[in-house]
Amino acid sequence: EAGVTQFPSHSVIEKGQTVTLRCDPISGHDNLYWYRRVMGKEIKFLLHFVKESKQDESGMPNNRFLAERTGGTYSTLKVQPAELEDSGVYFCASSQAGLAPAGELFFGEGSRLTVL
Amino acid sequence: DQQVKQNSPSLSVQEGRISILNCDYTNSMFDYFLWYKKYPAEGPTFLISISSIKDKNEDGRFTVFLNKSAKHLSLHIVPSQPGDSAVYFCAASDGNAGNMLTFGGGTRLMVKP
Repeated sequence: EAGVTQFPSHSVIEKGQTVTLRCDPISGHDNLYWYRRVMGKEIKFLLHFVKESKQDESGMPNNRFLAERTGGTYSTLKVQPAELEDSGVYFCASSQAGLAPAGELFFGEGSRLTVL
Repeated sequence: DQQVKQNSPSLSVQEGRISILNCDYTNSMFDYFLWYKKYPAEGPTFLISISSIKDKNEDGRFTVFLNKSAKHLSLHIVPSQPGDSAVYFCAASDGNAGNMLTFGGGTRLMVKP
């Protein structure tokens, strides 16, 4: 079974540019999460999809960040325009509601974003 | 305002000895706690968890202890192996928030041969 995959693994852009990160969750997982780790600090929650619906987007830092999950499969996270403080590693995670132990998420390898 | 804190950014242990990683939380609504392990350039992987109705959960060399009154949990690894060298994240879940996890800042464990 394929795990959570993320693309790109590393993106280097200039301030003001746009970047789109993609996440393919484990097949059949209804729950999809985006997290971010900035400057080696804690991993912070960004938002949670249940299928194609946004269940919780309380962690999204501002309106420069837009997440979508059309069709309830893969998800994209767009940052437009990117700022220096957006640099970090963006993790996607998924889980199959009702079957995994509560709270156990499967993470992708992350997309490292560097904004210059 | 960090709700989950790991106050030791790093820990160095000799192979074969016990590693103890600590975690404190402030939100009394948390009812499920997890430890994740992360190697460089990889995503976090689930290691072990504990429900708030228990005070201990053991899985092989890994044991998690929960002290609800102190809002403290710890991960014990014994015996420690060089392959255990990684960053360990403590995480907590509030049942009311579904599966959303709140993470601590991580502790880098180095197990020396």
